[in-house]
Amino acid sequence: NAGVMQNPRHLVRRRGQEARLRCSPVKGHSHVYWYRQLPEEGLKFMVYLQKENIIDESGMPKERFSAEFPKEGPSILRIQQVVRGDSAAYFCASSRTEGGANYGYTFGSGTRLTVV
Amino acid sequence: QKEVEQDPGPLSVPEGAIVSLNCTYSNSAFQYFMWYRQYSRKGPELLMYTYSSGNKEDGRFTAQVDKSSKYISLFIRDSQPSDSATYLCAMIAGTASKLTFGTGTRLQVTL
Repeated sequence: NAGVMQNPRHLVRRRGQEARLRCSPVKGHSHVYWYRQLPEEGLKFMVYLQKENIIDESGMPKERFSAEFPKEGPSILRIQQVVRGDSAAYFCASSRTEGGANYGYTFGSGTRLTVV
Repeated sequence: QKEVEQDPGPLSVPEGAIVSLNCTYSNSAFQYFMWYRQYSRKGPELLMYTYSSGNKEDGRFTAQVDKSSKYISLFIRDSQPSDSATYLCAMIAGTASKLTFGTGTRLQVTL
């Protein structure tokens, strides 16, 4: 019974390159959330997706960031033209129900993005 | 002002001590309250969740919520070195989907 799988665990990109972060939710979970964690800060909500739909992207930067959760395959967080300030740990979480209130969220181990 | 305030620590206690971790919040809409434990270089792991005011106990862990004071707590009894981690409080409004986290408190339990 695998948990949330994120890959890669570590990603190094040069400024201006694209970063693609992948997340496979817990089997049976159809709600996916992406969070970003900067050093010495808590996790900040970025986006909430269901299959083929973006439900809430209020935490996503307006430019360069996009997310998808296709009918088949993992959820993808895509960062175009990365800058040093994008360096952070990106966590994906999934839940069985909307909001996860009854069961909480299951988090993956994160992808640590370093922009050089 | 942040929606959720949490003392970042670090908090250092001897093995066997009772640990008290706290968060305050400003948004009255928060109804569900959670505590996550995060080991270094790992993802957060759900420890406790509570709905509205009251206490909830699970083994060595007790979560308390006081909505009138907008204050939540996590108590760890008989703390162990394996409890050394960062503890994050998180909360969610009834109709929302996103968690709002505190910054986390780093706990060190020493032998």
